[in-house]
Amino acid sequence: QQPVQSPQAVILREGEDAVINCSSSKALYSVHWYRQKHGEAPVFLMILLKGGEQKGHEKISASFNEKKQQSSLYLTASQLSYSGTYFCGTEGDRIYGGSQGNLIFGKGTKLSVKP
Amino acid sequence: EAGVAQSPRYKIIEKRQSVAFWCNPISGHATLYWYQQILGQGPKLLIQFQNNGVVDDSQLPKDRFSAERLKGVDSTLKIQPAKLEDSAVYLCASSLAASGGGIGRRYFGPGTRLTVL
Repeated sequence: QQPVQSPQAVILREGEDAVINCSSSKALYSVHWYRQKHGEAPVFLMILLKGGEQKGHEKISASFNEKKQQSSLYLTASQLSYSGTYFCGTEGDRIYGGSQGNLIFGKGTKLSVKP
Repeated sequence: EAGVAQSPRYKIIEKRQSVAFWCNPISGHATLYWYQQILGQGPKLLIQFQNNGVVDDSQLPKDRFSAERLKGVDSTLKIQPAKLEDSAVYLCASSLAASGGGIGRRYFGPGTRLTVL
């Protein structure tokens, strides 16, 4: 099942904050986050594992709520370089019949940061 | 460290023609993936290799798509014959994790943009 991302698009001014959500109808083992700039390959941001803690990467951090089967990506004090499309990829939990080892990507959230 | 290499970067063909894409993963990465990314969508897995063997090809349209990974390193993806709906970016990725572990980050190549006219 493809995860659902929200919002589909967001426009920010430099320095503003944003939250991107990723939710699944299935129990999850892990959530991956990637950023893709126009015409380029997706670039890895972070992986969150079941039972793990919130992770951070400079001013970009994420949380994973296993019970709610969702993850959120937090971008604080956004910079122009944060512009791009953010994808979450979800991996099912085999304990609950999920397909562990397979990563299914959402449709993406397009983030535009303006000066 | 060298990244994932792909060629060609762009390809334009007529429908019903055939096309092939090549991928060289990061050295030492046992797992190789081919993804199809249609404009405005997330990458969709077509096939996953673990060394020489196919782990998952459930979403590969086998009547027209084929892929192989020779000697557990390079891989080629072929489409024959191509349809208009095959227009997309074809991304190759590799990772260190075995499919059973399932937590390996994907390292993506630059992709091949295919246009079918």
